[in-house]
Amino acid sequence: DSGVTQTPKHLITATGQRVTLRCSPRSGDLSVYWYQQSLDQGLQFLIQYYNGEERAKGNILERFSAQQFPDLHSELNLSSLELGDSALYFCASSDRRGRETQYFGPGTRLLVL
Amino acid sequence: TQLLEQSPQFLSIQEGENLTVYCNSSSVFSSLQWYRQEPGEGPVLLVTVVTGGEVKKLKRLTFQFGDARKDSSLHITAAQPGDTGLYLCAGVNTGGKLIFGQGTELSVKP
Repeated sequence: DSGVTQTPKHLITATGQRVTLRCSPRSGDLSVYWYQQSLDQGLQFLIQYYNGEERAKGNILERFSAQQFPDLHSELNLSSLELGDSALYFCASSDRRGRETQYFGPGTRLLVL
Repeated sequence: TQLLEQSPQFLSIQEGENLTVYCNSSSVFSSLQWYRQEPGEGPVLLVTVVTGGEVKKLKRLTFQFGDARKDSSLHITAAQPGDTGLYLCAGVNTGGKLIFGQGTELSVKP
């Protein structure tokens, strides 16, 4: 158990819909990272938040957005969903000193029909 | 764009055999990490190598970072069914971002 929790574990929705994925980092971790894992693209970095502020952006689509709240939990919002958005979405957190070690949650499996 | 290429993509071996997984890039990384991911779970960090030429051992697993810090290898001795899983290498760039390879799906049959 990494200490990072993600909900829901599974999500099935239709094209055009909007979903929100939730992540609670390890206790004391200030950084939260979101990743997308698909069969064809592998594990891709989407976005990082540090203590409530956006820190780095990766291959995140404009239809996707994220935020980190004062209690440090984070949400990833996916809108106007397409079939190709079906994937595993992972959240990771890193320790307060901002070193590279990231601890991954169990992921949310999203299926867009 | 920094890319990491892992090979092989798939590996199916018998228990007791040795294997090596390679992770190559044309880019230099400040460090490189190896993860193992099991079905339904997130990647779990196995090791971080930082210095060019560094070798780290974790029981039957040996990790090596290339002298130029562009490539790495993972060698497993006497593989066991419990080693089955997806092995991912990830380079850490100067901005602190993780760049993942595509992964190597390892299956060890009893």
